Amino acid sequence: AQSVTQPDIHITVSEGASLELRCNYSYGATPYLFWYVQSPGQGLQLLLKYFSGDTLVQGIKGFEAEFKRSQSSFNLRKPSVHWSDAAEYFCAVTSGTYKYIFGTGTRLKVLA
Amino acid sequence: GAGVSQSPSNKVTEKGKDVELRCDPISGHTALYWYRQSLGQGLEFLIYFQGNSAPDKSGLPSDRFSAERTGGSVSTLTIQRTQQEDSAVYLCASSSRVQGGRDTQYFGPGTRLTVL
Repeated sequence: AQSVTQPDIHITVSEGASLELRCNYSYGATPYLFWYVQSPGQGLQLLLKYFSGDTLVQGIKGFEAEFKRSQSSFNLRKPSVHWSDAAEYFCAVTSGTYKYIFGTGTRLKVLA
Repeated sequence: GAGVSQSPSNKVTEKGKDVELRCDPISGHTALYWYRQSLGQGLEFLIYFQGNSAPDKSGLPSDRFSAERTGGSVSTLTIQRTQQEDSAVYLCASSSRVQGGRDTQYFGPGTRLTVL
């Protein structure tokens, strides 16, 4: 069965530090991959997506993600975290159908 | 342009009452989705509408849940005889279905439902 795992429920980093949020998927076909961010009381905002081509994807707010087929991973990174990045981050995968499979999310806390 | 909007933003109701949640998708988007997000959980797919096709209702948790989409635009999710376990954030998303499935879902702000 298709699945998405975000192994870290909570992550705390200091402002200015680098960030990596992990996402692993289980999928037979070529996946389409997404990262969304949800600020408190808000809906989900798309950060970036991977469909094909260059495996390093740039997104909004200075985020990037790298698709590694051999590791079934699509980790989200940011070189320097800002306090406003505190939020919950969701990874999602689809095979190209309308059904997205979402991970359970990683809650990011940023220390001043 | 305008994004996906949902109303109300918050709804508190008593157990056993019916509630209606509304979603206005992005203009021109033919696909519309409803999800439920319970505390500490990921997003649970509820229902999918695409154009005039029959909706995929496979995610609806019980027959107390139903949804309509009128005129291919606005959608209403109805929960009858609400239970406390229905308390959650209900998220709506829309997308323009691109051939090959390379579409992206855009989410509304959600409706937080609390059943007392």
